[in-house]
Amino acid sequence: KAGVTQTPRYLIKTRGQQVTLSCSPISGHRSVSWYQQTPGQGLQFLFEYFSETQRNKGNFPGRFSGRQFSNSRSEMNVSTLELGDSALYLCASSLSQGEYEQYFGPGTRLTVT
Amino acid sequence: QQPVQSPQAVILREGEDAVINCSSSKALYSVHWYRQKHGEAPVFLMILLKGGEQKGHDKISASFNEKKQQSSLYLTASQLSYSGTYFCGTEKNGNQFYFGTGTSLTVIP
Repeated sequence: KAGVTQTPRYLIKTRGQQVTLSCSPISGHRSVSWYQQTPGQGLQFLFEYFSETQRNKGNFPGRFSGRQFSNSRSEMNVSTLELGDSALYLCASSLSQGEYEQYFGPGTRLTVT
Repeated sequence: QQPVQSPQAVILREGEDAVINCSSSKALYSVHWYRQKHGEAPVFLMILLKGGEQKGHDKISASFNEKKQQSSLYLTASQLSYSGTYFCGTEKNGNQFYFGTGTSLTVIP
């Protein structure tokens, strides 16, 4: 079974630009979560999608948004990029909501200059 | 609301045991444990649910004290491959997921 895939793997953007990251979950998994990982803040929850609906949202500004498609693939968008948005963005999929283990993709390394 | 893990870092020799603790200030619904090696994504190790059910790795054990809102991960007879950063993760009644502060574990020959 193929794992979680994320594209692109690396991205360099300048302040003020916007970016869209993509995540394809494991086949059959319907829940997709997004996390931001930085050395200072660790792993922080961004949001979770299930059945094309955002079910939970972390404490991030409205510049961070996402969506999920009918095939469970998900995209995350960050508008008006700031230097502090530089991070590893991880996507994780699970069978469903609740007490299911999450399987992480390799991440997208975003650098904002 | 982020769970606090202890110790922050630990160095072991092969074959030694280690315990990693995770404490939350909020009531827990479940506790997940993940290991992340440098430059790689976190990998699922174990999930503990209220009521005692566990799912996960057969060489790693863990406990979940619901009343104390704590969980501990037990690594026995450590191997070099156990090196990495360990994270606990918790959720409360299906709300957002919180990862702990992380514990860096290094196993040396």
